[in-house]
Amino acid sequence: SQQGEEDPQALSIQEGENATMNCSYKTSINNLQWYRQNSGRGLVHLILIRSNEREKHSGRLRVTLDTSKKSSSLLITASRAADTASYFCATALDGDDYKLSFGAGTTVTVRA
Amino acid sequence: DADVTQTPRNRITKTGKRIMLECSQTKGHDRMYWYRQDPGLGLRLIYYSFDVKDINKGEISDGYSVSRQAQAKFSLSLESAIPNQTALYFCATSISGSPTQYFGPGTRLTVL
Repeated sequence: SQQGEEDPQALSIQEGENATMNCSYKTSINNLQWYRQNSGRGLVHLILIRSNEREKHSGRLRVTLDTSKKSSSLLITASRAADTASYFCATALDGDDYKLSFGAGTTVTVRA
Repeated sequence: DADVTQTPRNRITKTGKRIMLECSQTKGHDRMYWYRQDPGLGLRLIYYSFDVKDINKGEISDGYSVSRQAQAKFSLSLESAIPNQTALYFCATSISGSPTQYFGPGTRLTVL
């Protein structure tokens, strides 16, 4: 069964706006990853945050992790058309960091 | 990512046929994975291999088999394809010690 669930399922924003999506998971984790998938293509790793980290930045991406609430958020600032994609959080499957469990994803559409 | 390639990219087949999907990587990674993605769902792990002599079942291995021919090659077989195996199939790689995975472009399989 899926460990993580993203929310919302879909998000539509204007170019230049920020996009925020959330991930909730069920069991304790050592780390959580976010991946992006452009339509029908392979997933691309965006960022990994460890359980002892609360916030991490990479370019226009900001990820937070709240282990007490078993949740993470991904913020994309100043969105661009190229950010149109599905975003997935991934956590350990069966407690094994090297096997991943993915949520169903958040589909983000950035309107010009 | 050209470092992980999958063949074929698209395949249409009939119920009962045997199908092989191939994955090759030039990243030098020791670990390889096969996932399937169904519309609106996240990826689910089918099989994984941590080295050439190590093959393990994932979440949904029934109806599938794999072969790790070399460190760089990992193939997925559907012994007798059925319509509910219609999906997008992804191969991924990782290096031991890192949970980050690198995905191929996917194979779209349709079973009629």
